[in-house]
Amino acid sequence: EVVLVESGGGLVLPGRSLRLSCEASRFTFDDFAMHWVRQAPGKGLEWVSSIDWNSDRIGYADSVKGRFTISRDNAKNSLYLQMNSLTIDDTAFYFCAKDNGHIAVAGSAFEDWGQGTLVTVSS
Amino acid sequence: DVQMTQSPSSLSASVGDTVTITCRASQNINTFLNWYQQRPGMAPKFLIFAASSLQSGVPARFSGSGSGTEFTLTISNLQPEDFATYYCQQSSTSHGYTFGQGTKLEI
Repeated sequence: EVVLVESGGGLVLPGRSLRLSCEASRFTFDDFAMHWVRQAPGKGLEWVSSIDWNSDRIGYADSVKGRFTISRDNAKNSLYLQMNSLTIDDTAFYFCAKDNGHIAVAGSAFEDWGQGTLVTVSS
Repeated sequence: DVQMTQSPSSLSASVGDTVTITCRASQNINTFLNWYQQRPGMAPKFLIFAASSLQSGVPARFSGSGSGTEFTLTISNLQPEDFATYYCQQSSTSHGYTFGQGTKLEI
């Protein structure tokens, strides 16, 4: 059974930065594309970012483009999300999710999910 | 960007009922449509891909259909564990995936 464990969330001031991590286990991490999805408390799901297995192709939602950076370290079975210039609107649970293929393409699906880490941006 | 609209936003039903949730895309997405279930306080769970293909391990009472811009998720013989929020997601473009706003299925 795939295991994804997010960490790094917490309370942060507006304008500051935070780095999320997602540690993967029980599957061959470098065989799959990965994603970040967020969910504001009581709200729906919002795709944030995706990265292919070899980091060749990366994509971002318009709401985070230029502020967030996704990366991965296949040797450490880990996915990251560097979040800069945080605003109150970034407050959410952040989930990492495993793709059903090695690249994020048309037809991708988010097969497995972590339990999420809460980021609260507040003064 | 492709926008996804689900209806209804909430739905009441009873154990044993059959319910249908609709998801509409703002443009043609062929069958690049996935469905997820989220129980309160839990991570989403992947149910259906390519509009109608059931993910391994998902009960056969779940079914999906549609293509182009209109899609449906049908749950027959509702079980207590099915009461949750359901999301559609379009995957017609790489690195640009949009979710519907969700449909809350309540007892």
